[in-house]
Amino acid sequence: EAQVTQNPRYLITVTGKKLTVTCSQNMNHEYMSWYRQDPGLGLRQIYYSMNVEVTDKGDVPEGYKVSRKEKRNFPLILESPSPNQTSLYFCASSFDRGNSPLHFGNGTRLTVT
Amino acid sequence: QKEVEQNSGPLSVPEGAIASLNCTYSDRVSQSFFWYRQYSGKSPELIMSIYSNGDKEDGRFTAQLNKASQYVSLLIRDSQPSDSATYLCAVAIQGAQKLVFGQGTRLTINP
Repeated sequence: EAQVTQNPRYLITVTGKKLTVTCSQNMNHEYMSWYRQDPGLGLRQIYYSMNVEVTDKGDVPEGYKVSRKEKRNFPLILESPSPNQTSLYFCASSFDRGNSPLHFGNGTRLTVT
Repeated sequence: QKEVEQNSGPLSVPEGAIASLNCTYSDRVSQSFFWYRQYSGKSPELIMSIYSNGDKEDGRFTAQLNKASQYVSLLIRDSQPSDSATYLCAVAIQGAQKLVFGQGTRLTINP
């Protein structure tokens, strides 16, 4: 089954404790992206990747890191999480950058206390 | 001006009626447009994509695109309570490596 898999689905952590949210897709998509979704602010892009070893900032990259060492994986790293990073996070992938529909993972609800 | 704008709603429609959702965008050269449905706490799910002016129908859903007016809409015929969700309009911005999403319209279908 074609899918984007994120883990974990729920995560509660404390300020400053490094965490990684994993994302994997099995559709051989070149383009992958991370979004956060907050009430009243909609979906905002954090980082995206056009291909292996090619990543770039989205609209709200501060406090986040990503890597793309393999085509299928695109982890999101929070080196020192803060409460303002409490949000619902989605990983997504598509065949190409922007002109193809995005396929979303199931989301990760992160709470930073 | 926001790149993609939607009326946040809530939009309330009786069961069996037509629900009409609207979206405007600012980038004149955008070529790709998408409608997603999102249930509360769930991920966005693609309903329709449209690339050319005019109407595109898929079951109870019809997407309408008017590039001259920079306007895209989604019609849902014979609305069902299960259609109650937030509907997101997404536009591929020319030269940008991303889809830009509107804030979504919350739709409620009343039995």
